[in-house]
Amino acid sequence: GAVVSQHPSWVICKSGTSVKIECRSLDFQATTMFWYRQFPKQSLMLMATSNEGSKATYEQGVEKDKFLINHASLTLSTLTVTSAHPEDSSFYICSARPSGSGRETQYFGPGTRLLVL
Amino acid sequence: GNSVTQMEGPVTLSEEAFLTINCTYTATGYPSLFWYVQYPGEGLQLLLKATKADDKGSNKGFEATYRKETTSFHLEKGSVQVSDSAVYFCALSDTGGGNKLTFGTGTQLKVEL
Repeated sequence: GAVVSQHPSWVICKSGTSVKIECRSLDFQATTMFWYRQFPKQSLMLMATSNEGSKATYEQGVEKDKFLINHASLTLSTLTVTSAHPEDSSFYICSARPSGSGRETQYFGPGTRLLVL
Repeated sequence: GNSVTQMEGPVTLSEEAFLTINCTYTATGYPSLFWYVQYPGEGLQLLLKATKADDKGSNKGFEATYRKETTSFHLEKGSVQVSDSAVYFCALSDTGGGNKLTFGTGTQLKVEL
C-alpha cells in the first residue's frame, strides 16, 4: 500500500517550452501533496505544499508563476514548469500525505528527471 | 534555520560489514528525526524515526538514536547485505517549521559480495 507514482519519469524539452509533471497517489487519498527538487549532490528542497481544492503554498524563493501547481483531486497533483530554461533542469520529487494521517507522514514518488536544452 | 548534515558517499562495504552513516542537525525547535531509504528507481521510503531525545528508532536491522547533546542521529547496522545498497537520507521535521521535512544530501551505500 501507500504507493505514489510520477509521470513522466524523465523528460527532455527545449528551452521556452512548458512541461507538466503528474503525481498520483494510487491507493489512498491525499489532501496534501508536496513538491521537492533535488540538484546533484544536494539535498531535497521543498518547493511548495499543495492542498486539494486550494492554492499551493510556495517556499521562499520559489516563483509561483513559473512553477504552477494544481491539486484538482484527492489523488492527483500536477507541477507545470512554464517557459523552462536550462537552469530548471533538476530532479523533481513529489510526496503525498494520506488524508487523516499524522502531519509527519509522507509517501514519496520515484521522481521525474527534467533536462532543458 | 534548520539543516541536516550527513556524510558524503559513496560508502562501499563488503557484505556482513558494520555500517555507520553519520548525521547531525541544527533546528530551532524540538525536531523529530528520520532516516529515509531510496532504492534504485523507487521513491524515498521511511526507514525509521525518533521523536524525542534518547529515543531509538529501529527497522530491518537498522537503528539510530536521537542524541540531543550531540545533535546527532547516526544510522547503524551490524551486518549489511547486498540488498541494503541504496541511498540513505537523514531528515528532520520541526514543529517550529510547520512540520516540513528538511533533508540531508543523501549517502549512497554500495554493498559488495
